[in-house]
Amino acid sequence: GENVEQHPSTLSVQEGDSAVIKCTYSDSASNYFPWYKQELGKRPQLIIDIRSNVGEKKDQRIAVTLNKTAKHFSLHITETQPEDSAVYFCAASRDSGYALNFGKGTSLLVTP
Amino acid sequence: GAVVSQHPSWVICKSGTSVKIECRSLDFQATTMFWYRQFPKQSLMLMATSNEGSKATYEQGVEKDKFLINHASLTLSTLTVTSAHPEDSSFYICSARDEQGAETQYFGPGTRLLVL
Repeated sequence: GENVEQHPSTLSVQEGDSAVIKCTYSDSASNYFPWYKQELGKRPQLIIDIRSNVGEKKDQRIAVTLNKTAKHFSLHITETQPEDSAVYFCAASRDSGYALNFGKGTSLLVTP
Repeated sequence: GAVVSQHPSWVICKSGTSVKIECRSLDFQATTMFWYRQFPKQSLMLMATSNEGSKATYEQGVEKDKFLINHASLTLSTLTVTSAHPEDSSFYICSARDEQGAETQYFGPGTRLLVL
């Protein structure tokens, strides 16, 4: 089955700096790679996703890159703000409607 | 966007009792729903895939006789934790697949279960 590895497990940055979280996956059949932000006790919220036919996608301060050959994808957050502090999960699946295999999460702390 | 609800949002029960958790898609039909479990400070782990009108598909290591799943309608799936024990205490989250839209799945708000 699919195995998703995520690094780092914790990340602390100063407000205004950039944050990068990296994930690798094992199943070449995976074509859909979403990123979720989860605040304590709440449901995961989709912040950005990318499909295997695209190498990069950007939405304001958030961007995701995908290297399908190397089986890794990354989340980039620029100009971080304290409200970006949360746990971020990467995931992989065959497509958006299929069960998700999650990474172990990255706890991001943005200090003022 | 599409809305998925869960009920109850939290439940405390005694060891040995059974607990039923409901997952509803409020404004779309969902042939498929997924049940995940999240222990404190850990990731979401898929427990099972719930299919309307047929048996659920369980992930390896998940006891189907302990975690009963019923998907009797296109908008409702239930997860029953039978004979709950303290080690079953967790955050249970469902997601529902919108078949008509972009086949995106939407997460419910989760149910926090504490077994004493």
